[in-house]
Amino acid sequence: DSGVTQTPKHLITATGQRVTLRCSPRSGDLSVYWYQQSLDQGLQFLIQYYNGEERAKGNILERFSAQQFPDLHSELNLSSLELGDSALYFCASSASGMYQETQYFGPGTRLLVL
Amino acid sequence: AQSVTQLDSHVSVSEGTPVLLRCNYSSSYSPSLFWYVQHPNKGLQLLLKYTSAATLVKGINGFEAEFKKSETSFHLTKPSAHMSDAAEYFCVVSKLAGSARQLTFGSGTQLTVLP
Repeated sequence: DSGVTQTPKHLITATGQRVTLRCSPRSGDLSVYWYQQSLDQGLQFLIQYYNGEERAKGNILERFSAQQFPDLHSELNLSSLELGDSALYFCASSASGMYQETQYFGPGTRLLVL
Repeated sequence: AQSVTQLDSHVSVSEGTPVLLRCNYSSSYSPSLFWYVQHPNKGLQLLLKYTSAATLVKGINGFEAEFKKSETSFHLTKPSAHMSDAAEYFCVVSKLAGSARQLTFGSGTQLTVLP
């Protein structure tokens, strides 16, 4: 158990809908990362937050957004969902987000868009 | 740009025989490299990481990897495979973007362990 929690574990929704994925980092970690794992794209970095502020952006679509709250939990919002958004979404956390730091991954949220 | 290439999408070994999962990296500076494992329906678990302290890195569950700058490789090995090692393995390079850090994942190697 990495200490990173994600809810829900599974999510089934329809095209055009909006969903929110939640992540709680390990105790004491200030940095949160979001990743998407799909069959065609593999594992891709989406976005990073550090202590409430966005620090880095990867291949995140404009329909997706995220935020990190004062208690350091983070939410990833996915809107106008398309079939291709079906994937496993991982959250990871690290102490401060610095270069050589280990990221600890949560169990993921599996999203199915019908 | 930093990237990693996992040379085999599938590797199959017999229980008790050695494991070799190959990874080549591309980086314009001394990289941080990681190996993560993903068991079916599970999250990603860190096996080991290289951060320039020592070229031979020992990880959990008997795995180790050797950083070879001349070959730009970071292959993962284990002397004797167990059935519980069956999983997908990802070679990962850390990309520095300003003060932030992004992980770039390889495409993964599915390890099958035969009885």
